[in-house]
Amino acid sequence: GQQLNQSPQSMFIQEGEDVSMNCTSSSIFNTWLWYKQDPGEGPVLLIALYKAGELTSNGRLTAQFGITRKDSFLNISASIPSDVGIYFCAGPPNNAGNMLTFGGGTRLMVKP
Amino acid sequence: GAVVSQHPSWVICKSGTSVKIECRSLDFQATTMFWYRQFPKQSLMLMATSNEGSKATYEQGVEKDKFLINHASLTLSTLTVTSAHPEDSSFYICSARRIRDSSYEQYFGPGTRLTVT
Repeated sequence: GQQLNQSPQSMFIQEGEDVSMNCTSSSIFNTWLWYKQDPGEGPVLLIALYKAGELTSNGRLTAQFGITRKDSFLNISASIPSDVGIYFCAGPPNNAGNMLTFGGGTRLMVKP
Repeated sequence: GAVVSQHPSWVICKSGTSVKIECRSLDFQATTMFWYRQFPKQSLMLMATSNEGSKATYEQGVEKDKFLINHASLTLSTLTVTSAHPEDSSFYICSARRIRDSSYEQYFGPGTRLTVT
């Protein structure tokens, strides 16, 4: 099936630094979703993107739907300790049906 | 809105017994719910899609007789792990898609950690 490749797999940064992560696919996606998962919890939807080139913000988070429709980026500005967690990108494989396929996740660690 | 709950949050059971996990959409109706399994430090793996009033659709490699899914109402889906074995120990997460949404957004429950001894 279609795979979403996320990078980096993990990041260890200093509090206050900006963070950038991305998600790529070999196929075109019409929707990109970004989730955050805290340890022992379910993922929480952060940002949803529906149009190529779309740039959407949610507080300190900004996500972009790549022009090629094969990638998406998530940026976090001025990171804080509570940003720690795993960030997943997701999208509908084959752009049909209800299901989502998930990237492998980016584990973010923030040093106070 | 878009709150999904799961019960129990954790459960320990003996090998050979069955365990039922409930997934509820608290403030919206969901015709479709999804069940995922997640191993430590790994991504979410879709097990099955649960459709209200019809049979669930299972992903390849998931035994439908072992993981029984029932979606009897627009706010409740259940996953029963039958004859559980230690290798079934995992973090099980459900999600729901709002009935009015034409988007693919899914809202997740907090997960259930199953430990089979």
